[in-house]
Amino acid sequence: DAGVIQSPRHEVTEMGQEVTLRCKPISGHDYLFWYRQTMMRGLELLIYFNNNVPIDDSGMPEDRFSAKMPNASFSTLKIQPSEPRDSAVYFCASTPNSGLGNIQYFGAGTRLSVL
Amino acid sequence: GNSVTQMEGPVTLSEEAFLTINCTYTATGYPSLFWYVQYPGEGLQLLLKATKADDKGSNKGFEATYRKETTSFHLEKGSVQVSDSAVYFCALRDGETSGSRLTFGEGTQLTVNP
Repeated sequence: DAGVIQSPRHEVTEMGQEVTLRCKPISGHDYLFWYRQTMMRGLELLIYFNNNVPIDDSGMPEDRFSAKMPNASFSTLKIQPSEPRDSAVYFCASTPNSGLGNIQYFGAGTRLSVL
Repeated sequence: GNSVTQMEGPVTLSEEAFLTINCTYTATGYPSLFWYVQYPGEGLQLLLKATKADDKGSNKGFEATYRKETTSFHLEKGSVQVSDSAVYFCALRDGETSGSRLTFGEGTQLTVNP
């Protein structure tokens, strides 16, 4: 398996523009997670899905952020409109099921810069 | 709620030095514990894990022992290499209260100089 695949790897946009980040989890994994990493706040869980259903979105910072998982092999994180404070590295991760020892597998991340 | 506290960084060592990165946790249930490593420009990857008290996780020369009595999971390596330079994250999963989500520590930046 190619692992968790994220695109794009880098995104530079201007304030006010819509940004869409994409993630393809590992095939067969039931859980998908979106994280944001910044120097100030470290690694934050934004939202996670189980079998394509959002389970916990309490980490989504505000209404400008939305996430979808239309099928088991694809998820998007959208920011509309984007702001400079959204600049961060966004990671997607997946895990097979809810077993206590299960590992989360991370993608390489999308580095977002909002000017 | 659950929380993970790591020693403050950054940590700078010379090659072949001994490494310890402290990690303590708070959990309401019986968590599994993990160390993840993040190399520059990459995502996090699992380094080692332990799923019950007194378990020792080990990988690539790194070790950590799940100590329930001290609620700790300190990471150690006897002789570090330049290639170990990375950010290290301690994490826990408490299935009883948090399902599949992981709680991460702040991360500790390790730099190993030749």
